[in-house]
Amino acid sequence: QSALTQPPSASGSPGQSVTISCTGTSSDIGGYNYVSWYQQHPGKAPKLIIYEVYKRPSGVPDRFSGSKSGNTASLTVSGLQADDEATYYCCSYTGINNYVFGTGTKVTVL
Amino acid sequence: EVQVVESGGDLVQPGGSLRLSCEASGFTFSTYWMTWVRQAPGQGLEWVANIKPDGSEGYYMDSVKGRFTISRDNAKNSLYLQMNSLRDEDTALYYCARYGYVAGCDIWGQGTVVTVSS
Repeated sequence: QSALTQPPSASGSPGQSVTISCTGTSSDIGGYNYVSWYQQHPGKAPKLIIYEVYKRPSGVPDRFSGSKSGNTASLTVSGLQADDEATYYCCSYTGINNYVFGTGTKVTVL
Repeated sequence: EVQVVESGGDLVQPGGSLRLSCEASGFTFSTYWMTWVRQAPGQGLEWVANIKPDGSEGYYMDSVKGRFTISRDNAKNSLYLQMNSLRDEDTALYYCARYGYVAGCDIWGQGTVVTVSS
């Protein structure tokens, strides 16, 4: 199973929005509504910010939103803050209790 | 406090074996799917394996099938990863995580480092 494709980098100024894409196939993203997103700061463990495409775990601000169209999922971070600077990974279910992560996108807050 | 703590990482030669452990606390371990995810130095996350709450079945990424075995002991609130026939490309930080949401891992440990090198 090949990694899902994400842009290597994205950036925005404080207060602006940034959208990250995650492209897969009909065997993963396109086949299931089980896409999750993780935020990882350097040297830290990943943190779940979106699950089941658009749902947010308790405590995650609504500045983070997820969506999906066909074989591509997206994460939008609105009202960018300095602490949003991190690497973001998508993850999709691929069937038979298997998963695949995306390649990761480093978000820079300008 | 809800947490998981990994241990067992080490330097091992190619072809060698290692057993990772993950001790859970603060939640009813036996009711959750659990998973191992790894991250090679400077690289992205890679799903390795996961296991049902009752431990009856484990699932693996293709490159570790037949070499790695995921297991758990619910009486000890512990998750394991037995790694055999280790290769250079298995070098990574290995995380243990809980599926607290459908297809979403909400609790992660800090990881344990596995280095495969001669």
